[in-house]
Amino acid sequence: AQSVTQLGSHVSVSEGALVLLRCNYSSSVPPYLFWYVQYPNQGLQLLLKYTSAATLVKGINGFEAEFKKSETSFHLTKPSAHMSDAAEYFCAVSPTGNQFYFGTGTSLTVIP
Amino acid sequence: DAGVIQSPRHEVTEMGQEVTLRCKPISGHDYLFWYRQTMMRGLELLIYFNNNVPIDDSGMPEDRFSAKMPNASFSTLKIQPSEPRDSAVYFCASSYTGSGNTIYFGEGSWLTVV
Repeated sequence: AQSVTQLGSHVSVSEGALVLLRCNYSSSVPPYLFWYVQYPNQGLQLLLKYTSAATLVKGINGFEAEFKKSETSFHLTKPSAHMSDAAEYFCAVSPTGNQFYFGTGTSLTVIP
Repeated sequence: DAGVIQSPRHEVTEMGQEVTLRCKPISGHDYLFWYRQTMMRGLELLIYFNNNVPIDDSGMPEDRFSAKMPNASFSTLKIQPSEPRDSAVYFCASSYTGSGNTIYFGEGSWLTVV
């Protein structure tokens, strides 16, 4: 069975601090992994994706994520949080084909 | 390029009324997904189509929900009769074979049933 677990439904960081959003997955096959961001009253936008190339994936807005097979993790990081990063973040796994399994989301608050 | 287009963006309806949500996927995409987002359940896949054919509708909550895709550029999600617990944001998304399994979401249809 495929699933995604996002640890921490709410994360707060100070502006300029490191952002770390955690995602663990289970998949019976090497998966595709994604991070999506949802700003208030908007749809989900692709932040970055892992497709079995480099294990460190760089996305938009300074975010990056590292695929660690041994830990079945795909945590999202950003060295320095900005106020505009406040949003809901979703991790997703797609084992094959076009089936996607989303985590429950992590709400990021950035404190000025 | 135009993204996934959904309508209406917002709808308020009375319990028992029929609701029809519409979606135009990105041109050339052969997969279309309907998701529902609520605070309680998060993002749930309701149904998805491949080349206009429903592939998996196991997420459709009950018979009151139905979805169609009469052609490659249009899909509808219908709720009849609507109930207050159907209040949610409904997202349509599309992708194409070879897109690296990336799906693209519309802005959502915000449904309130009173």
